[in-house]
Amino acid sequence: AQKVTQAQTEISVVEKEDVTLDCVYETRDTTYYLFWYKQPPSGELVFLIRRNSFDEQNEISGRYSWNFQKSTSSFNFTITASQVVDSAVYFCALSEAWSGNTPLVFGKGTRLSVIA
Amino acid sequence: GAGVSQSPSNKVTEKGKDVELRCDPISGHTALYWYRQRLGQGLEFLIYFQGNSAPDKSGLPSDRFSAERTGESVSTLTIQRTQQEDSAVYLCASSLSAGGPGEQYFGPGTRLTVT
Repeated sequence: AQKVTQAQTEISVVEKEDVTLDCVYETRDTTYYLFWYKQPPSGELVFLIRRNSFDEQNEISGRYSWNFQKSTSSFNFTITASQVVDSAVYFCALSEAWSGNTPLVFGKGTRLSVIA
Repeated sequence: GAGVSQSPSNKVTEKGKDVELRCDPISGHTALYWYRQRLGQGLEFLIYFQGNSAPDKSGLPSDRFSAERTGESVSTLTIQRTQQEDSAVYLCASSLSAGGPGEQYFGPGTRLTVT
């Protein structure tokens, strides 16, 4: 069965601090995709990244970086030099489909508050 | 181009009444999904449409829930005899069907309150 665990319910940091959001997943498949989405106070989910299970290279996009470790079934997300605009709920998600589309299995989310 | 749109944005209904929620996906997106998000929770999958294939209804919580999709366009989620536990934000998403699960584009959601 698929499962995504985001153990941190809420995190609060001061602006310019670095913060890491944890994501641990469970799947019996060897091929799968992992995702991160951001849900700002406006409510609309925004796609951040998709990573397939064969690509363990870390990814960096501006202040955002992702660390995928198959050995620990983790896909952690780090925001460097956090800003107030980063305040949102962040969701990690998993799809076991390799081809075609399937629904995503989401974690419960981590609420990040960045304080000025 | 327009994103995914949903209507109404808010719906308050009395327990026992039926409600219809509408989703307009991005033009050309063959896959359409409905999710439910209870307050402070993650997203729960409800139903998934892919082209002309039979929908995946495995996430529907009870037979009071149903959904239809007209071709590759509009979808309607219907909840019959609403209960207070149905109160949630209902999110619709669409995606292209190509090369693995793609980025799902989400609508703004419909906030349903059952009194």
